[in-house]
Amino acid sequence: EVQLVESGGGFVQPGGSLRLSCATSGFDFKSFGMNWARQAPGKGPEWVAYINSGATTIHYADSVRGRFTISRDDSQKSLSLQMTRLTDDDAALYYCGTGREYSIAVWGRGTMVTLSS
Amino acid sequence: QSALTQPASVSGSPGQSITISCTGSSRDVGGYNYVSWYQQHPGKAPQLLIYEVTTRPSGVSIRFSGSKSGNTAFLTISGLQAEDEADYFCCSYTSRNTRVFGSGTKVTVL
Repeated sequence: EVQLVESGGGFVQPGGSLRLSCATSGFDFKSFGMNWARQAPGKGPEWVAYINSGATTIHYADSVRGRFTISRDDSQKSLSLQMTRLTDDDAALYYCGTGREYSIAVWGRGTMVTLSS
Repeated sequence: QSALTQPASVSGSPGQSITISCTGSSRDVGGYNYVSWYQQHPGKAPQLLIYEVTTRPSGVSIRFSGSKSGNTAFLTISGLQAEDEADYFCCSYTSRNTRVFGSGTKVTVL
C-alpha cells in the first residue's frame, strides 16, 4: 500500500522558517515525481511545488517562489519542503502527493502550519 | 495566478446527472490536456477522480466523466448518489510551469 506521511508542521512566527518532511513507502519513490500542496482552513487546495524523478525539474507556485525549496532524498524515500520568510498567508494544512506529472493520485494526511506572533 | 472559475454550488436529486464547469484561459485549461478533478469530503484529503481531461484512475466509479471545450473543462456525475455530496476541485497545468486549482464547487444531493 502506498503511504505518504507528512511531519514538521507547527507554530511559527511571521518571518520565521520551518522544514516539512514526507516519509513514503509502498512504491518505487525514485521513479515518481512529487508535489507539495496546501489548503488553508475553509479554502480550496493550492499547489505549492513539484520535483520530478531525478530532481532535474523543479517548479514552484508564484506565491512561494524564492522562499520555499523542495528537495528529495531517494535513499531515504523522503521529500522535504524548506519554508522561509513565512507570512500569515502560508498558514495551511500541507500535503505531499505523488502520481502523474500533472495530477496528484495519492495524498498524505497533511501537516498543519500555524502562524502565530 | 488566479484560481480557475467554478460554480460555488451545484445540486441534484439522486439518480440525476450534474455537470460542473471549470473555466480558465488559453494559458492553462485551453492550452493543455492536463486538467484533473478531485473530490474532497470534509476533513479528508482530496481524491483524484479524473486526470488528463478524460481519464479515470482505476477504482474510480464510471459515473464520473471529464471533458473539455475551449478554455472550459467539465466534470459530469451521472446517477447522483448521496455519497457524492462533497466539494469538487479542478486543476490545470499552466504555461508558467505551475498548476492552478479551481475555486471549488459544493455538490449537494437533494
